[in-house]
Amino acid sequence: AQSVAQPEDQVNVAEGNPLTVKCTYSVSGNPYLFWYVQYPNRGLQFLLKYITGDNLVKGSYGFEAEFNKSQTSFHLKKPSALVSDSALYFCAVSPVYGGGNKLTFGTGTQLKVEL
Amino acid sequence: DAGVIQSPRHEVTEMGQEVTLRCKPISGHDYLFWYRQTMMRGLELLIYFNNNVPIDDSGMPEDRFSAKMPNASFSTLKIQPSEPRDSAVYFCASSIGGGNQPQHFGDGTRLSIL
Repeated sequence: AQSVAQPEDQVNVAEGNPLTVKCTYSVSGNPYLFWYVQYPNRGLQFLLKYITGDNLVKGSYGFEAEFNKSQTSFHLKKPSALVSDSALYFCAVSPVYGGGNKLTFGTGTQLKVEL
Repeated sequence: DAGVIQSPRHEVTEMGQEVTLRCKPISGHDYLFWYRQTMMRGLELLIYFNNNVPIDDSGMPEDRFSAKMPNASFSTLKIQPSEPRDSAVYFCASSIGGGNQPQHFGDGTRLSIL
């Protein structure tokens, strides 16, 4: 069975500084990896995904993520944080084979960007 | 483009009552997912459909929960009878294609069982 770990419940960063939200995963075989963002009282919104190919994936709103197979990680990054980036971020994984199209989500990391 | 539409947005009802949550997926999407989100348990997949057929309902907590998808543009999640521990935010999501495609979420139904 697949699993996702987001080791930090909350990440605080000053506006303009780079941000990193960490994610590690466990899956049999190769993974499909996703990042989603959730704003208060809204559903999850897709940010980016890793399917295959280049380990650095670029997504919406200036976010990017780096797939590291040896460390089984898929950390979300942004070079310069904005106050409007403050939200709940979820990492999710699905195995390429045998996953039945089911996503397994992490517990979420609350990002707080302060002036 | 219209996204996934869920109704109602909020539901407050008393224990023992029947609750029906509704979802309209994005047109053309062939997968539909029902999730539940709570502080304690996070985001849990309850059931998902492919081409209106239930594929995996292993996440449905108990027989009080049932889900249907009578056609490609409508799905329901029913709880009967409801209990206070069912209080949560219920999300519907849809996607086109398989596991490498992103899921598009509705804004959820916040359910409170008194």
